[in-house]
Amino acid sequence: AQSVAQPEDQVNVAEGNPLTVKCTYSVSGNPYLFWYVQYPNRGLQFLLKYITGDNLVKGSYGFEAEFNKSQTSFHLKKPSALVSDSALYFCAVRGTGKLIFGQGTTLQVKP
Amino acid sequence: ETGVTQTPRHLVMGMTNKKSLKCEQHLGHNAMYWYKQSAKKPLELMFVYSLEERVENNSVPSRFSPECPNSSHLFLHLHTLQPEDSALYLCASSQDPGFGEKLFFGSGTQLSVL
Repeated sequence: AQSVAQPEDQVNVAEGNPLTVKCTYSVSGNPYLFWYVQYPNRGLQFLLKYITGDNLVKGSYGFEAEFNKSQTSFHLKKPSALVSDSALYFCAVRGTGKLIFGQGTTLQVKP
Repeated sequence: ETGVTQTPRHLVMGMTNKKSLKCEQHLGHNAMYWYKQSAKKPLELMFVYSLEERVENNSVPSRFSPECPNSSHLFLHLHTLQPEDSALYLCASSQDPGFGEKLFFGSGTQLSVL
């Protein structure tokens, strides 16, 4: 069975510091991996995806994610956090089945 | 804006009411989706339409009835809902319902069932 886990309900970082939002997955076959962000009172917005190729994927707003096959992880990263990055972040994965989302991680960036 | 518009933004209904949620996409996509978002839970896929045909129904109760009259419009008809159906209902679209396709979401309808 497919699954995706975001082990942290909330991540707190100071503005200017690097941030990491964690995601691990379990799928059959090759994974298709995604990150989405949700700002208050809005729908989800696509950030980046990994299908194949380079393990480091660059996306919108300076975010990037690293695919690690041996650890079955796809952590979201940004070198320098902004207060405006504060939002709810969802990891999603698809193997041979349907696309499934994690429960979300709230990122709080403090000035 | 994402090109996906949902109306209404907020809806309060009693358990005996009938209401409908509307979604419209201006992106020329072929696939449309309904998701349910409840607090602290993963998004739940409800229905998938591809070229106006329902291709996925994830064991959703019959009190939720989707309709896709054309590739740009998607409705979710609601009837005799329960309080536990209160949630944010999100519509999304993609070019095709393929494995690597990214989804474009609307802002959602916040539904409260009294």
